[in-house]
Amino acid sequence: GAVVSQHPSWVICKSGTSVKIECRSLDFQATTMFWYRQFPKQSLMLMATSNEGSKATYEQGVEKDKFLINHASLTLSTLTVTSAHPEDSSFYICSARAEGLLRNEQFFGPGTRLTVL
Amino acid sequence: SQKIEQNSEALNIQEGKTATLTCNYTNYSPAYLQWYRQDPGRGPVFLLLIRENEKEKRKERLKVTFDTTLKQSLFHITASQPADSATYLCALHNTGNQFYFGTGTSLTVIP
Repeated sequence: GAVVSQHPSWVICKSGTSVKIECRSLDFQATTMFWYRQFPKQSLMLMATSNEGSKATYEQGVEKDKFLINHASLTLSTLTVTSAHPEDSSFYICSARAEGLLRNEQFFGPGTRLTVL
Repeated sequence: SQKIEQNSEALNIQEGKTATLTCNYTNYSPAYLQWYRQDPGRGPVFLLLIRENEKEKRKERLKVTFDTTLKQSLFHITASQPADSATYLCALHNTGNQFYFGTGTSLTVIP
């Protein structure tokens, strides 16, 4: 149980285009999802916290107009990288928090590798 | 400033030995701390959680300690195996319900 999927697993796009990444909790409901970014040989950096039905909370230094987050349902959150540039190339990982007994755990998706040319 | 530092970027040990990884933090007051394993190109996988009022937690060959006075957690893998080779991340849960990750330690267990 507690599986989180991401789609796509990798994407290559041209500079200036927008890319949408989906994060789904497959067998549980997640009122809170988190989006992280990880550059090579670095740790995960929290970008934003996404709550179902409300606006996401962004970490300091993360542009909310560039990284659009929509948490439309209890099982789906999307991250859209708008007007992507090469410096946005990174590994994007989402996680979902399960309610109930497991609520202190985060379950991570497999990540999405974004390459902007 | 807030920091979460893990002892070294890379750690090599011989198979069968105990690996000890360190997580030190400053300017956080975490309610609990977690350890994750991450393999290349994959998302982190949860291993253990330890609360601020717990000194030690065990799970099979894994042991975690948490010292809130020293602001440090130690993560031990006993009888290490080559399959334990991965990057290990500590993460703090703060009062705002976010998790903040350490820099990670890449462990290599040599057969």
